[in-house]
Amino acid sequence: GAVVSQHPSRVICKSGTSVKIECRSLDFQATTMFWYRQFPKQSLMLMATSNEGSKATYEQGVEKDKFLINHASLTLSTLTVTSAHPEDSSFYICSAPDGTSVREDTQYFGPGTRLTVL
Amino acid sequence: KNEVEQSPQNLTAQEEEFITINCSYSVGISALHWLQQHPGGGIVSLFMLSSGKKKHGRLIATINIQEKHSSLHITASHPRDSAVYICAVRLGGTSYGKLTFGQGTILTVHP
Repeated sequence: GAVVSQHPSRVICKSGTSVKIECRSLDFQATTMFWYRQFPKQSLMLMATSNEGSKATYEQGVEKDKFLINHASLTLSTLTVTSAHPEDSSFYICSAPDGTSVREDTQYFGPGTRLTVL
Repeated sequence: KNEVEQSPQNLTAQEEEFITINCSYSVGISALHWLQQHPGGGIVSLFMLSSGKKKHGRLIATINIQEKHSSLHITASHPRDSAVYICAVRLGGTSYGKLTFGQGTILTVHP
């Protein structure tokens, strides 16, 4: 089946630094990818929709200057957490629907990236 | 009130028990997903439903569009089924792929 990878799987950084997380679709093209964050014992919350070749669409309450999204190719989207603070510590997950599939709602999730900001 | 509600929030079972997890939603949807999240965090898509019933191995998922309700059943449960099960819907009128999630059901199956 289709695979979505994320890198890194874990990252620990100091407060004030920026962290880049990559999301790749390995065997299909994804014109759209979704970025979520998940706090402990809570469900996923959609942060933004990443669109290849155009600006990302952010959900209400998500700072676009804090969470920079770039979807430079049909297989790669990146999320950069700028000037990270401890409250940004979370589990970040991406997903990609397989637009080439007849079943457009087929969703593939990345394994997630655990960010810890000290 | 959340648009997607799951019950129960926590479920403990003995091995071989039949398990049911419920999901109710309050608005029109285009599709409903059942997802499984293991302790490490990775998420696997189990089913995508827009009507009727689907079966995969010991897992069965049903949806009743009129009643805005879906159930996930696990037959002959096993400790390896222990995970968080999440119901997610694509709300009607939203772009394809954009999901709204329930709060999850934590399932623990004891040997």
